[in-house]
Amino acid sequence: EVQLVESGGDLVQPGGSLRLSCAASGFTFSTYWMSWVRQAPGKGLEWVANINQDGSAKYYVDSVKGRFTISRDNADNSLYLQMNSLRAEDSAVYYCARERAAADWGQGTLVTVSS
Amino acid sequence: DVVMTQSPLSLPVTLGQPASISCRSSQSLVHSDGNTYLNWFQQRPGQSPRRLIYKVSNRDSGVPDRFSGSGSGTDFTLKISRVEAEDVGVYYCMQGTHWPPLTFGGGTKVEIK
Repeated sequence: EVQLVESGGDLVQPGGSLRLSCAASGFTFSTYWMSWVRQAPGKGLEWVANINQDGSAKYYVDSVKGRFTISRDNADNSLYLQMNSLRAEDSAVYYCARERAAADWGQGTLVTVSS
Repeated sequence: DVVMTQSPLSLPVTLGQPASISCRSSQSLVHSDGNTYLNWFQQRPGQSPRRLIYKVSNRDSGVPDRFSGSGSGTDFTLKISRVEAEDVGVYYCMQGTHWPPLTFGGGTKVEIK
């Protein structure tokens, strides 16, 4: 059974940083693209970033380019999202998802950016 | 960027009756490889999203056969043949043909009358 468990969400001040993690199990992690998708409170879904199998290709939504970095550790079956220069509009539940087509999702981790 | 437009925003349905959700894209979703990368997701209240349909009409494992996807080009539909109480939630379409960025529709809320 595929399991994705996010962690690292917290309350952070504007301009601050946070690193999200996603622990994957139940599938061969190193053979799949992975994605981060977010959902602001009461809003719809927004794709944030994805990364290919070996980490050599990374793509981002324009609003986070230069501030967020997606990465992965295939030896540890883990996906990461380093978030810098956080803004209020980055407040959301962040989900990790297996594949570009988001075949499986974690339970999400809440990031709140507020002073 | 490809804009995905869903309608209606809200869909009150009687239990046991059919429901239909429309998703339109601002450009054709036919990829150069011949596939059409249009997916549907269900998000029940308080839960994470779950993929129901991939590449227009392929049901994911464990998805009841009352859910079906159809369409082509820029016009797509998710149908529920007979709505059950557990189908309440918000449904999203997402395109994966022209990316980045991957883009979602705004969502359709299905509720019981």
